[in-house]
Amino acid sequence: QTVVTQEPSFSVSPGGTVTLTCGLSSGSVSTSYYPSWYQQTPGQAPRTLMYSTSSRSSGVPDRFSGSILGNKAALTITGAQADDESDYYCVLYMGSGIWVFGGGTKLTVL
Amino acid sequence: EVQLVESGGGLVQPGGSLRLSCAASGFTFSSYALSWVRQAPGKGLEWVSAISDSGGSTYYADSVKGRFTISSDNSENTLYLQMNSLRAEDTALYYCAKVGKVVVHFDYWGQGTMVTVSS
Repeated sequence: QTVVTQEPSFSVSPGGTVTLTCGLSSGSVSTSYYPSWYQQTPGQAPRTLMYSTSSRSSGVPDRFSGSILGNKAALTITGAQADDESDYYCVLYMGSGIWVFGGGTKLTVL
Repeated sequence: EVQLVESGGGLVQPGGSLRLSCAASGFTFSSYALSWVRQAPGKGLEWVSAISDSGGSTYYADSVKGRFTISSDNSENTLYLQMNSLRAEDTALYYCAKVGKVVVHFDYWGQGTMVTVSS
């Protein structure tokens, strides 16, 4: 069974930089998995941030960037702001119509 | 403007059935794959099922395979999820999501409909 791994929680200071990662329990994440990232605040539907590793969704500020770092997909927030405090989810496309979400990272800005 | 509006959620007993609907607008419905994603209370997102743009191909997570059926009605621009043999662990907020055309990701989301499985 494929497990997508994310840090359960992370903390960043206002104005700081944080990198969240998305890995596989077995193997490496590559662009072939079309990693995408979603932001969710309590009581709200997910918001699409990043797709195909590093493409920003419409309206997403450029302080959000995506990449492959080593064997993981990564979401970097540069110059974190208070309203970036959210849950962040990555999802990998496994092919054949199947997606697998990571468990999510709760980001605290303080 | 793309809109996805889910409905059909509610309280159902274990072993029961429920059909969710997702009314879509703002895009050419028959040209895009669609998906259901769920979120149990206090938990993370879980991909549930997807259907191809033609409706000819369907895909399921192992956790729902054989119990859930995804379908779509191009004449009504509506996506469905028929859920049978429901279990307590199916309790979740169910989101409808549109799949991007060129790159496989979820580009638009509905607000969700809540399903509670309890006696």
